[in-house]
Amino acid sequence: GAVVSQHPSRVICKSGTSVKIECRSLDFQATTMFWYRQFPKQSLMLMATSNEGSKATYEQGVEKDKFLINHASLTLSTLTVTSAHPEDSSFYICSASITKETQYFGPGTRLLVL
Amino acid sequence: GEDVEQSLFLSVREGDSSVINCTYTDSSSTYLYWYKQEPGAGLQLLTYIFSNMDMKQDQRLTVLLNKKDKHLSLRIADTQTGDSAIYFCAESRYSSASKIIFGSGTRLSIRP
Repeated sequence: GAVVSQHPSRVICKSGTSVKIECRSLDFQATTMFWYRQFPKQSLMLMATSNEGSKATYEQGVEKDKFLINHASLTLSTLTVTSAHPEDSSFYICSASITKETQYFGPGTRLLVL
Repeated sequence: GEDVEQSLFLSVREGDSSVINCTYTDSSSTYLYWYKQEPGAGLQLLTYIFSNMDMKQDQRLTVLLNKKDKHLSLRIADTQTGDSAIYFCAESRYSSASKIIFGSGTRLSIRP
């Protein structure tokens, strides 16, 4: 099946620093990628929809200046958490759209902000 | 509004069938999904069903959809220890370019 990778898988950073998370579709081109966050024992919440070559569409309540999304190519989208704070600690998962029926998810990135 | 609800926990004996239930509120839902998440991992798409279908079977998995009641279920036959995971019900409209709304997830545990 379709493979989506994320890098890094885990990251620990100090409060106030920025962290970049990469999402790649390895064997297909994805015009649309999605970024989710998942708090412990909770469901996934969509943060933003990323379309190649255009600005991301953010969900209500998600700060676009804090969570910068770049979708520069059909196989790569990046999420940068700027000036991270402990409350940004979470599991960030990306997905890529391959057909109109399905999204394939990456393995997730666990972010811990100290 | 959009809402997807599931029970939080299910415990079954190894070899029995597991049935995970889900209800949703959006009558415009086009696609309904079941995803599996193992500890510390991302989501694995198990199966999906179009809203104009009422059943889909794929090996040990059977999905039943009651569109009138907005009820979706996932049956896992002959449940194995490897089936232990969190199962998310989800729905979306139109296409995968639209957002997917996830349920809270059902944690399936298998007892010997």
